[in-house]
Amino acid sequence: DQQVKQNSPSLSVQEGRISILNCDYTNSMFDYFLWYKKYPAEGPTFLISISSIKDKNEDGRFTVFLNKSAKHLSLHIVPSQPGDSAVYFCAASRLGSARQLTFGSGTQLTVLP
Amino acid sequence: EAGVAQSPRYKIIEKRQSVAFWCNPISGHATLYWYQQILGQGPKLLIQFQNNGVVDDSQLPKDRFSAERLKGVDSTLKIQPAKLEDSAVYLCASSSHKGTRPYNEQFFGPGTRLTVL
Repeated sequence: DQQVKQNSPSLSVQEGRISILNCDYTNSMFDYFLWYKKYPAEGPTFLISISSIKDKNEDGRFTVFLNKSAKHLSLHIVPSQPGDSAVYFCAASRLGSARQLTFGSGTQLTVLP
Repeated sequence: EAGVAQSPRYKIIEKRQSVAFWCNPISGHATLYWYQQILGQGPKLLIQFQNNGVVDDSQLPKDRFSAERLKGVDSTLKIQPAKLEDSAVYLCASSSHKGTRPYNEQFFGPGTRLTVL
């Protein structure tokens, strides 16, 4: 049972435009959501997070939006840069689970120059 | 600050052979995780340690996988005997569970890519 889903395996965007990566979850007990970025041959690195009590969190070019009623979150990257090309994983965490992370399957973002 | 170290980076073995992976977490991080990432999927937690005790190993295939974290620092993950479906990247991560952040930011190592032939 996939509790965190990223339905788009890949996304291509022109440099300077907006990249929107989507993530859906099924477990209503999740109360924290994180995005990780992964380059080839490297481990995932933390990018940005959002608590379930918020609907938006911004950090520079990266903004995460959370729609609790739809159990949906999205990562916006504006403007997109070629160095943003990577696999982006959505992850969710809940209280009482030792704060374990449940990951989606990832979206390969390619930013074209 | 040094990151999470893992070795080897790559390993190719025949099925039914044994293999071991090593992880050195970030200094001072009490929590250590082993993940399995199969191609096209997200990381899946195999086992979580808090210091040298196991917090959760419910998804570890215990008939062939074992892990230990002696002295609460380094950890090894072993597969014996390996199957074809064990081909994956094995990621180690650590976290401190300290500070004001209520979420669990985990720091990942580069992973070990295992190919079972």
